[in-house]
Amino acid sequence: VQLVESGGGLVQPGGSLRLSCAASGFTFSKFAMSWVRQAPGEGLQWVSAISGSGGSPYYADSVKGRFIISRDNSKNTLYLQMDSLRVEDTAVYYCAKMSSGSYYGGYFDSWGQGTLVTVSS
Amino acid sequence: QSVLTQPPSVSAAPGQKVTISCSGSNSNIGNNFVSWYQQIPGTAPKLLIYDNDKRPSGIPDRFSGSKSGTSATLGITGLQTGDEADFYCGTWDSSLSDVVFGGGTKLTVL
Repeated sequence: VQLVESGGGLVQPGGSLRLSCAASGFTFSKFAMSWVRQAPGEGLQWVSAISGSGGSPYYADSVKGRFIISRDNSKNTLYLQMDSLRVEDTAVYYCAKMSSGSYYGGYFDSWGQGTLVTVSS
Repeated sequence: QSVLTQPPSVSAAPGQKVTISCSGSNSNIGNNFVSWYQQIPGTAPKLLIYDNDKRPSGIPDRFSGSKSGTSATLGITGLQTGDEADFYCGTWDSSLSDVVFGGGTKLTVL
């Protein structure tokens, strides 16, 4: 299993970024995928998830209405569109494969290397 | 404030054993499986334990997990300096409909 994130960078408050996660080594469409973030010096926070089929998206309250998760199973790629970014969204964002096609009750069995998002003026 | 409670730090000498606790409630640990993740500084988290006590392939049997009621425990025996890392517990919270994590425990091998 390999997960490779891209798209992070420096953005001003109110700006947008689109993260991508290229997956390989497993049947992508069979597994739910998640984004988990880690603010500098802090712990892990589950941000967003999507089922293997692309339905039932989940969002943490802190990002609801600003972030959109999606996936393209034909390209084995997961996305996170982040709009109206805030300083408190600054974090390393990890793409994580979940243990089944649904994220309910699941765990994260593979992680990407992470991509840093910095929101600052 | 994390939903799951872990000690901020633990330490032990090389070759010794250490345990890390993770405390929750009936809505999370009490009725759902627990997983544990190891994060070596500067790297991504890695799955250590899933379904309370199962090890993925490649994880040595020095690492073990257990659960009792609303608490879970990660055990590490034969400590090595390479085990120094942050450890996180995680589980599903049925009331929140969220995956929740503990705040993390920093392991120092003296």
